[in-house]
Amino acid sequence: QVQLMQSGPEVTKPGASVRLSCKTSGYTFSNYYMHWVRQAPGRGLEWMGIINSSGGSTNYAQKFQGRIVMTRNTSVSTVYMEMSSLKSDDTAVYYCARERVPKQWGAPDSWGQGTLVIVSS
Amino acid sequence: SYELTQPPSVSVSPGQTARITCSGDALPKKYAYWYQQKSGQAPVLVIYEDNKRPSGIPERFSGSTSGTMATLTVSGAQVEDEADYYCHSTDSSGDLGVFGGGTKLTVL
Repeated sequence: QVQLMQSGPEVTKPGASVRLSCKTSGYTFSNYYMHWVRQAPGRGLEWMGIINSSGGSTNYAQKFQGRIVMTRNTSVSTVYMEMSSLKSDDTAVYYCARERVPKQWGAPDSWGQGTLVIVSS
Repeated sequence: SYELTQPPSVSVSPGQTARITCSGDALPKKYAYWYQQKSGQAPVLVIYEDNKRPSGIPERFSGSTSGTMATLTVSGAQVEDEADYYCHSTDSSGDLGVFGGGTKLTVL
């Protein structure tokens, strides 16, 4: 079955960067896009962007343009999301979420367990 | 930037029908998707492509669209349906995703 295993919690300081990982199994990695979604404490879901696991092309929400980079390593079926210039309001749970259908994208249907990132001085 | 608008809360008694709306200018051309999220859990897809139900989702969940509005209907809502519900779609270019602000469904 589809499994998305995310890296562990991070505690970091304002201005720093963080790199999150999402290791996948149970399906053909390169056939599916991967979304990244975050949720601040007590707040709603926020779509951050998407990566084509095959070619590596990305689309980022305007809010995060210039501050996030999504990459993938097909040899280990893993996607990564690096965010820089962290601020306290980047404190959130970050989810990777696999697209529902292969080779196109619309919405995810399989989610990782989430990674809590705390940004605090 | 593109936005999807949902009511913050909807409340019904058990057995009643709950309707949660989501409005967005691109919805006439782009699919709506709906997620259920219970406290401390990852979201679960309950409706895809406007009105299709994934396997394992109870039949009481249905979706519809009309113009710029998508609606999630929970017919005969049960206490276990209490959760936050989010709509999701893409902007008119299809390049960027977006979630609505979420609706808290209370069943009591």
